[in-house]
Amino acid sequence: EGQLLESGGGLVQPGGSLRLSCAASGFTFDTYAMTWVRQAPGKGLEWVSTISGSGATTYYADSVKGRFTVSRDNSKNTLFLQLIGLRVEDTALYYCAKGGYSYDLWGQGTLVTVSS
Amino acid sequence: DIQMTQSPSTLSASVGDRVIITCRASQSISSWLAWYQQKPGKAPKLLIHKASGLESGVPSRFSGSGSGTEFSLTINSLQPDDFAIYYCQHYKSYPYTFGQGTKLEIK
Repeated sequence: EGQLLESGGGLVQPGGSLRLSCAASGFTFDTYAMTWVRQAPGKGLEWVSTISGSGATTYYADSVKGRFTVSRDNSKNTLFLQLIGLRVEDTALYYCAKGGYSYDLWGQGTLVTVSS
Repeated sequence: DIQMTQSPSTLSASVGDRVIITCRASQSISSWLAWYQQKPGKAPKLLIHKASGLESGVPSRFSGSGSGTEFSLTINSLQPDDFAIYYCQHYKSYPYTFGQGTKLEIK
């Protein structure tokens, strides 16, 4: 069981920044790796980033490496994704998901639109 | 990077049919494969993990098989609720990648 609720999306100009949040409930947050997956409008799923349960280890897709930073606050059961240097091609629905391998719980997503 | 290729891209079927969706990896991923179902406007739902492990609560008409580079998702006796897009995803090594998706539509 459990629930994930993303927030923080919005419309931003190219080069801009956003911070996405994902509030988790209903499971022991700090025992699970967490993942961000995005989906551009009308397109398929793209793995973006994963962070270990402790937050000590992170992984990124090449397409976002150096621009996105994943972090977590286990005291607040919250996952974050800091997005900087946003590009038009980063426009997507961003999902947070529970797990570091397969993902058995997903939020409903938060929409990031990058446009001038 | 490991590439995942699904076939077909679109599959037309009728209620009660048995359908098979295949997923091919560009190199061996052992059994590190998951299948997801996504309905319009909804988040993906995990169906199968580790190639053949049925996720809790998923109907037994769904099954997964394969290892190495060739995998399949079988749906027996299609129900109206099964018409959706299906994705495979490997988790052998980073970056984890998804297949491009298979749209299962009503014939």
